[in-house]
Amino acid sequence: QSALTQPPSVSGSPGQSVTISCTGTSSDVGSYNRVSWYQQPPGTAPKLMIYEVSNRPSGVPDRFSGSKSGNTASLTISGLQAEDEADYYCSSYTTSSTFVFGTGTKVTVL
Amino acid sequence: EVQLVQSGAEVKKPGESLKISCKGSGYSFYSYWISWVRQMPGKGLEWMGRIDPSDSYTNYRPSFQGHVTISADKSSSTAYLQWSSLKASDTAIYYCARLDVVVTALDYWGQGTLVTVSS
Repeated sequence: QSALTQPPSVSGSPGQSVTISCTGTSSDVGSYNRVSWYQQPPGTAPKLMIYEVSNRPSGVPDRFSGSKSGNTASLTISGLQAEDEADYYCSSYTTSSTFVFGTGTKVTVL
Repeated sequence: EVQLVQSGAEVKKPGESLKISCKGSGYSFYSYWISWVRQMPGKGLEWMGRIDPSDSYTNYRPSFQGHVTISADKSSSTAYLQWSSLKASDTAIYYCARLDVVVTALDYWGQGTLVTVSS
């Protein structure tokens, strides 16, 4: 059960948009709309940002949005802010009734 | 307020046993699964397994099956992760997280427990 594939890093200037991809297989991302995204600033626990591909929990800014096409999900951060600098991980439910995380992406605000 | 509070950092020797805990509050503990997630030093998140506190049903990622045991005590609203024989490669931060099975996401996380295994 391999980790989902994410780019190691993305960067952008304040106010710009960045998109993080998350590529899996037909056994995970491609099988269900059960993809979630987590934000982890340095030295802290992860925080849920998106669930079921594109839904935001209460309190998460609408600058964060998610989508999915086939075996690839994406997280877009619009209007990038300094506080968005963190590691981001995708996760998917799998056909084995387990979960798998992505490899993680470091977002840098220039 | 939903909270998951984990036990403190541990330093152990290879071959020793260990049990760390995760106490839930602010919600109905037996109504939500608990997952455990490993983060090795400088590395990403790895899903280890989950438990349904209502009946203690568990399932594990294959690579963790047989090496760790997940359990729960409904009466104290506490979930546990234990090892019978630690290895140096078990050195990591371990997080517990509440699994909302309706939306299939980890919606609340504990603060993490650092486990260091060294001779």
